[in-house]
Amino acid sequence: DQQVKQNSPSLSVQEGRISILNCDYTNSMFDYFLWYKKYPAEGPTFLISISSIKDKNEDGRFTVFLNKSAKHLSLHIVPSQPGDSAVYFCAASVGGTSYGKLTFGQGTILTVHP
Amino acid sequence: EPEVTQTPSHQVTQMGQEVILRCVPISNHLYFYWYRQILGQKVEFLVSFYNNEISEKSEIFDDQFSVERPDGSNFTLKIRSTKLEDSAMYFCASSEFGAGQPYEQYFGPGTRLTVT
Repeated sequence: DQQVKQNSPSLSVQEGRISILNCDYTNSMFDYFLWYKKYPAEGPTFLISISSIKDKNEDGRFTVFLNKSAKHLSLHIVPSQPGDSAVYFCAASVGGTSYGKLTFGQGTILTVHP
Repeated sequence: EPEVTQTPSHQVTQMGQEVILRCVPISNHLYFYWYRQILGQKVEFLVSFYNNEISEKSEIFDDQFSVERPDGSNFTLKIRSTKLEDSAMYFCASSEFGAGQPYEQYFGPGTRLTVT
């Protein structure tokens, strides 16, 4: 099941710079997209989401961009901080009759160096 | 801040034994979920639960699995006869909205199930 793909297994960024995490999807029925952050031995923590009727959503240092024609979304973190080091998961769901099943990508390990 | 809790944090069991994983969702949430993550693999959806019944389940969720909300606060996942391949981290999640509405699912810390 490769409906949601994060092609970069890892990303290394200097503190203060921008982190850009990417996600591609194949299912055109997906209409809601979420980013989760996960630390070791913890559950995924919700970060930010975007509906398919928008192309951008911003929350503090985090911005998610959605390009529906390319079936691509990205998460921008500016400025990056060492505490942002974690695994980042992209997830997608189908609204309407779906009861919230999330389809996850494989995750990208972000390391922010001081 | 309200959070989803799960017990136990780690469960070791022998193949063929029954296990029950427990979760306490956030109190005003109405939709409940179980996911699992086998080591090195993606987080996978197992089942969603609303209004005391299963809303959707994946092909992983076969007859060996069942879910229950026994008392209005707990939400449990039972695996009737565990197999080696059931070894994984199991995450419970809950959300305030569901079908047709935007929602965020809030996840618990997970139960690591090891089947020997």
